[in-house]
Amino acid sequence: NAGVTQTPKFRILKIGQSMTLQCAQDMNHNYMYWYRQDPGMGLKLIYYSVGAGITDKGEVPNGYNVSRSTTEDFPLRLELAAPSQTSVYFCASKDRTTDTQYFGPGTRLTVL
Amino acid sequence: SQKIEQNSEALNIQEGKTATLTCNYTNYSPAYLQWYRQDPGRGPVFLLLIRENEKEKRKERLKVTFDTTLKQSLFHITASQPADSATYLCAFRMDSSYKLIFGSGTRLLVRP
Repeated sequence: NAGVTQTPKFRILKIGQSMTLQCAQDMNHNYMYWYRQDPGMGLKLIYYSVGAGITDKGEVPNGYNVSRSTTEDFPLRLELAAPSQTSVYFCASKDRTTDTQYFGPGTRLTVL
Repeated sequence: SQKIEQNSEALNIQEGKTATLTCNYTNYSPAYLQWYRQDPGRGPVFLLLIRENEKEKRKERLKVTFDTTLKQSLFHITASQPADSATYLCAFRMDSSYKLIFGSGTRLLVRP
């Protein structure tokens, strides 16, 4: 099992550009999450999904969008990137039987 | 709003000693608490989960306690090793929620 994979690892965007952060898991988990982590801070939930076709907002959804067309994939879309979106983004999936979240390696995004 | 607090100062201890990290929460009664380890440049890794009706949980050199009266969880690493150096995050989940709320983490440094 590859677990949770994320691409790209690093990205620099200019203000106003758009991009999609990819996330995939091969553990057949229904629950998936997107977090951002700013330096010295905890994880803030952006969006989450409880299954294909079902998504909901987390704590800090503004400026982001998600879709969940399959169980495996949960991409995060940034429209009109702003410097405030400079952060490290983590995707996670959850094993419902153990309530354990499995995290990907993260994407470090800089918006200049 | 729900709030979860961890000591922002790094904990610096000598190898072989017991490390004790604190997680305090306010304004809610979580269904459970989780502890994660995060190494620099990597995603968090799940360590332990303790439910509201459990006082203590152990796993090898790790021990977690949960005091719902004090609204506090303690995380202990006995016989600490330099390899235990990392940031440790606590998180709690409400009974009716799919979401975790994370603390900002405490960095542990174990000196040889």
